[in-house]
Amino acid sequence: DTGVSQDPRHKITKRGQNVTFRCDPISEHNRLYWYRQTLGQGPEFLTYFQNEAQLEKSRLLSDRFSAERPKGSFSTLEIQRTEQGDSAMYLCASSLMGDYGYTFGSGTRLTVV
Amino acid sequence: AQKITQTQPGMFVQEKEAVTLDCTYDTSDQSYGLFWYKQPSSGEMIFLIYQGSYDEQNATEGRYSLNFQKARKSANLVISASQLGDSAMYFCAMREGRRSSGSARQLTFGSGTQLTVLP
Repeated sequence: DTGVSQDPRHKITKRGQNVTFRCDPISEHNRLYWYRQTLGQGPEFLTYFQNEAQLEKSRLLSDRFSAERPKGSFSTLEIQRTEQGDSAMYLCASSLMGDYGYTFGSGTRLTVV
Repeated sequence: AQKITQTQPGMFVQEKEAVTLDCTYDTSDQSYGLFWYKQPSSGEMIFLIYQGSYDEQNATEGRYSLNFQKARKSANLVISASQLGDSAMYFCAMREGRRSSGSARQLTFGSGTQLTVLP
């Protein structure tokens, strides 16, 4: 297992376009998290899946954001009608039962121009 | 109120010296976990060390140790024998929440400390 993979690593998009990011967690991890990290700040929690169920969403996750985890494996995060304020690093993490071992991916850096 | 406070935006340390990065936290939970992560300029979050709230001993992992003072709600990271490769952003994080099937138990991060190791 090579850890948590995120694709793409970088994405530049024009304001108003839709973008989708993918996260492949560690295969035996049942929990998957999405975080957003803006420049100079720590990551902020966006949403969490246990298997295929999305069980919690942060207030940061506006209606333009949607996340899925079909079949409890990989996850996608879509942002519709992107705004410049969406420019950030989007990090995915997975864990087994939300205990000790949270493993992060390398992130997708989104730039909205 | 901020749950994780890192008061040092930037720190400098001479190579081979030890450095302490400060972290204070705020929680009303009895059971919680404290983490330190390293984030190089490439962006990945690298796990360094973990301390559980019920752990009596301070955690150690190689050159990293966590100075856990529960009554003061502090969890400072100590890096001994600094190396040039230690230059990075360091984040303190906390996991709250009961261990139940629905609880997210997500990590809450501080704003980080940029450590620069000088040759």
